[in-house]
Amino acid sequence: GAGVSQSPSNKVTEKGKDVELRCDPISGHTALYWYRQSLGQGLEFLIYFQGNSAPDKSGLPSDRFSAERTGGSVSTLTIQRTQQEDSAVYLCASSSQAGEDTGELFFGEGSRLTVL
Amino acid sequence: AQKITQTQPGMFVQEKEAVTLDCTYDTSDPSYGLFWYKQPSSGEMIFLIYQGSYDQQNATEGRYSLNFQKARKSANLVISASQLGDSAMYFCAMREPTNAGKSTFGDGTTLTVKP
Repeated sequence: GAGVSQSPSNKVTEKGKDVELRCDPISGHTALYWYRQSLGQGLEFLIYFQGNSAPDKSGLPSDRFSAERTGGSVSTLTIQRTQQEDSAVYLCASSSQAGEDTGELFFGEGSRLTVL
Repeated sequence: AQKITQTQPGMFVQEKEAVTLDCTYDTSDPSYGLFWYKQPSSGEMIFLIYQGSYDQQNATEGRYSLNFQKARKSANLVISASQLGDSAMYFCAMREPTNAGKSTFGDGTTLTVKP
């Protein structure tokens, strides 16, 4: 498809397990963002990629969270030893404008993570 | 300091009337972009409108317009002729080149359109 694709759409896991969330941005988009949204809340920035590098990891909540991007395309967000407070919708977005002030974000439909 | 402030957690409007959703922002960047996104209950984030800091005119997109008051650092969204399908959460966001172009979002305003 032409849009941002995220998988899985829903993930239920047990506390302490590791999870991987995948984002496939729009082809040619150099900037890729991960946000987290708790129920009824705003968007919490996690990490930003420009190409394969991550100039801004300031939003990662703890060292249990990591992300990588390969080939300037697909990105994976990994959460190790999940905790119940990690339950949220994880949104990925991409943009054709990296490091600038223009260019809207195109969002995926999100991955809903539930940690039991 | 909060970069984007949306002071209205919830708003109600009668169908066919206009409504203004407030947004103020804080930046020292001379160049920045302001955006509004809509998030219906289905969850997807939909881009609505963009205003550049150097744009002289207020942005408009169909029934959406952005009331940009630069000196007051205000970027309110105006929706005219509200429709039931406008019921959703609305987010104001800002991009700054000195912040790596990262988009910072406000906490959102939930708009309910009443028939």
